[in-house]
Amino acid sequence: GENVEQHPSTLSVQEGDSAVIKCTYSDSASNYFPWYKQELGKGSQLIIDIRSNVGEKKDQRIAVTLNKTAKHFSLHITETQPEDSAVYFCAASYGEKLTFGTGTRLTIIP
Amino acid sequence: GAVVSQHPSRVICKSGTSVKIECRSLDFQATTMFWYRQFPKQSLMLMATSNEGSKATYEQGVEKDKFLINHASLTLSTLTVTSAHPEDSSFYICSAERNSNEQFFGPGTRLTVL
Repeated sequence: GENVEQHPSTLSVQEGDSAVIKCTYSDSASNYFPWYKQELGKGSQLIIDIRSNVGEKKDQRIAVTLNKTAKHFSLHITETQPEDSAVYFCAASYGEKLTFGTGTRLTIIP
Repeated sequence: GAVVSQHPSRVICKSGTSVKIECRSLDFQATTMFWYRQFPKQSLMLMATSNEGSKATYEQGVEKDKFLINHASLTLSTLTVTSAHPEDSSFYICSAERNSNEQFFGPGTRLTVL
């Protein structure tokens, strides 16, 4: 089955700096890679996703890159703000079953 | 965005009792809902896939008689933890599928079994 590894488990960055979270996956058949943001007391929200037919996708301050050959994908947050503090999960899927990474707790230091 | 609710958000029960957790998609119909369990410092683990009008599909190692799933309508799925024990204490999260591969998560339910 699919195995997704996520690093780092915790990340602290100064407000305004960039944050990068990386994930690797094992199943080369996986073709959909979403990223979720889980804030305390709130449901996890899909923040960006990428499919295997593209290498990069950007939405304002958030971008995701995918390297199919190396089987890894990354979340990039630029110009970080305090409200970016949360736990971020990556996931990989082929079909409807998602396999999640272990999560990264991102803390933005004012 | 799509909204998925869970009820209750937090429940404490005695060992041996049963607990029902509801998962609702509030503004869309979900033919498929998923139930996850999240252990501390670990990722979400898929427990079962709930399909409206049919039996749930359980992941290997998940006891279907212990974790009863009912998906009675396109907006509601329930997970019942039967004869709960302390080792069942965990954070349970559901998600509802709106389109292919597009899942929206509920806020989760913290179950504590004494």
